[in-house]
Amino acid sequence: SQQGEEDPQALSIQEGENATMNCSYKTSINNLQWYRQNSGRGLVHLILIRSNEREKHSGRLRVTLDTSKKSSSLLITASRAADTASYFCATEETSGSRLTFGEGTQLTVNP
Amino acid sequence: DAGITQSPRHKVTETGTPVTLRCHQTENHRYMYWYRQDPGHGLRLIHYSYGVKDTDKGEVSDGYSVSRSKTEDFLLTLESATSSQTSVYFCAISESPTYEQYFGPGTRLTVT
Repeated sequence: SQQGEEDPQALSIQEGENATMNCSYKTSINNLQWYRQNSGRGLVHLILIRSNEREKHSGRLRVTLDTSKKSSSLLITASRAADTASYFCATEETSGSRLTFGEGTQLTVNP
Repeated sequence: DAGITQSPRHKVTETGTPVTLRCHQTENHRYMYWYRQDPGHGLRLIHYSYGVKDTDKGEVSDGYSVSRSKTEDFLLTLESATSSQTSVYFCAISESPTYEQYFGPGTRLTVT
């Protein structure tokens, strides 16, 4: 079964708007990672946040982690058409040494 | 995709035939992974390796075997392909299970 579940499954916005995607998980984690996948390509790592961190920034990306709610959010500010992709969260559980991926959010940014 | 290649990139095969997919890395990372990606299931781990000749099963390992005789190569074998193994297969590498993973471009396998 999937550890992480993204919400929404699909999101369509206009260029310049902000996009927020959420990820919920079930068990204790060491870290949570976000990846992007463009159509027909492999996944690309975006950002890693450890369980003792609450917020991280990378360029136009902002990730928050709330371990008490077992949830994370990915915010993309001032979105561009090139941000159109699927976004996945992945969790590394404290009990294991592997990542478990969610099913992803399909983001479409309209020019 | 830099530093990781997968071959073949596309393959069509018949039910019951053996198939081997290859992942090659030039990054000298210790960990290598095989995932499959299917609509409605996201990415699921098939097998992974934590060193030469050291491998372990993932959540969907039935029907698959792996081998790693060199640091740079990780092979995934379908002993007798079935239609349920039609999927896109991704290889990934990482320095440590707690670090980010780097993915290859994927292999699209169709079993008819």
